[in-house]
Amino acid sequence: DIQMTQSPSVLSASVGDRVTLNCKASQNINKYLNWYQQKLGEAPKLLIYNTNNLQTGIPSRFSGSGSGTDYTLTISSLQPEDVATYFCFQHNSWPTFGAGTKLELK
Amino acid sequence: EVKLLESGGGLVQPGGSLRLSCAASGFTFTDFYMSWIRQPPGKAPEWLGVIRNKANGYTTEYNPSVKGRFTISRDNTQNILYLQMNTLRAEDTAIYYCATGSLDYWGQGVMVTVSS
Repeated sequence: DIQMTQSPSVLSASVGDRVTLNCKASQNINKYLNWYQQKLGEAPKLLIYNTNNLQTGIPSRFSGSGSGTDYTLTISSLQPEDVATYFCFQHNSWPTFGAGTKLELK
Repeated sequence: EVKLLESGGGLVQPGGSLRLSCAASGFTFTDFYMSWIRQPPGKAPEWLGVIRNKANGYTTEYNPSVKGRFTISRDNTQNILYLQMNTLRAEDTAIYYCATGSLDYWGQGVMVTVSS
């Protein structure tokens, strides 16, 4: 199985900050990497698919990048409503999720 | 608008069975792969398996962690996805979600608790 390692596990940031979340795969996943946002008590919501494609309806402050084994989700200007846990997910082979990054307001 | 609504969750004893349903609307059901995912409380989601679309013969794939115990099926006349879960264990306790395609749209989830 491909292991997905997210860092940091918890991130505290202020409104307006540029925030970067990381996801590292144990082998090349050929950009088949999605990012999900999960707010408390809700289902995960797709933000970015296949590394850098913004899902319909998602604000443009969210962006994704990466290749090979290393991927990044960036929030250009953190908003209060972005407080959530973020999961990466690879679907290059047997699909697997990362353990998540919990994003908090400082 | 894509809508997915799971049902059938609840409390079941270890060794028991449960069948979850996912009613789909807002898209052409037969065109889409459909997946089940679960998420234990406070943990990351886990992909359970997929049933492919009409063009790919409605074939299935499963996570080895549930293969042989869980079965995914679909009723393409009523646009319903199913997850049959047998020989349930305490570690199967989780919120269970259905999702479309490459997990782009998810239902709201249904809780399954396995406990005596």
